[in-house]
Amino acid sequence: SYELTQPPSVSVSPGQTASITCSGDKLGDKYACWYQQKPGQSPVLVIYQDSKRPSGIPERFSGSNSGNTATLTISGTQAMDEADYYCQAWDRAVVFGGGTKLTVL
Amino acid sequence: EVQLVESGGGLVQPGGSLRLSCAASGFTFSSYWMSWVRQAPGKGLEWVANIKQDGSEKYYVDSVKGRFTISRDNAKNSLYLQMNSLRAEDTAVYYCARRGAAAGNYFQHWGQGTLVTVSS
Repeated sequence: SYELTQPPSVSVSPGQTASITCSGDKLGDKYACWYQQKPGQSPVLVIYQDSKRPSGIPERFSGSNSGNTATLTISGTQAMDEADYYCQAWDRAVVFGGGTKLTVL
Repeated sequence: EVQLVESGGGLVQPGGSLRLSCAASGFTFSSYWMSWVRQAPGKGLEWVANIKQDGSEKYYVDSVKGRFTISRDNAKNSLYLQMNSLRAEDTAVYYCARRGAAAGNYFQHWGQGTLVTVSS
């Protein structure tokens, strides 16, 4: 079955750029999306179709997808961005990555 | 405003059954694929099942095939998940989710979740 791999944790200083990767075989040939989940809350879609932002998602969130890796980039990271982030793609079924805990130090 | 409100969770013994419901509003329910996604305590997200707009196609993760059944009632704007032969590993928060309108099989809207605990 298809697998998506994310680093368990990423740390970033406030105001700096955070990058979270998601790796999968030929992931660039599929659409990738990203969800943000804060403690005790439901997931929120932050990126879909590799790089599109839903309405209401700040411009500091961006995405890319090429080769075997999709990347979520948060520019000018704020304390409120501290959360778990999950990538997701579709390969004959919905597949989620294991999640990355973003810590804003 | 899109709203998805799950209900039906609770404590159930191993081998028992439970039926989850999701009440949808704020969009044309019959126009969208719908899904159930679960999250075990302290763990990541896991897709459970999908159902097509008219209910003609249904898909499941291998671990629930033969035990869970997804269904919908478009007249009632409702999504369901019948869970039988429940196991401890089915313990999780179950989210109802609506697919986005664009291509790509992503979930644009999520409910608040309902907790299912399987324990004796």
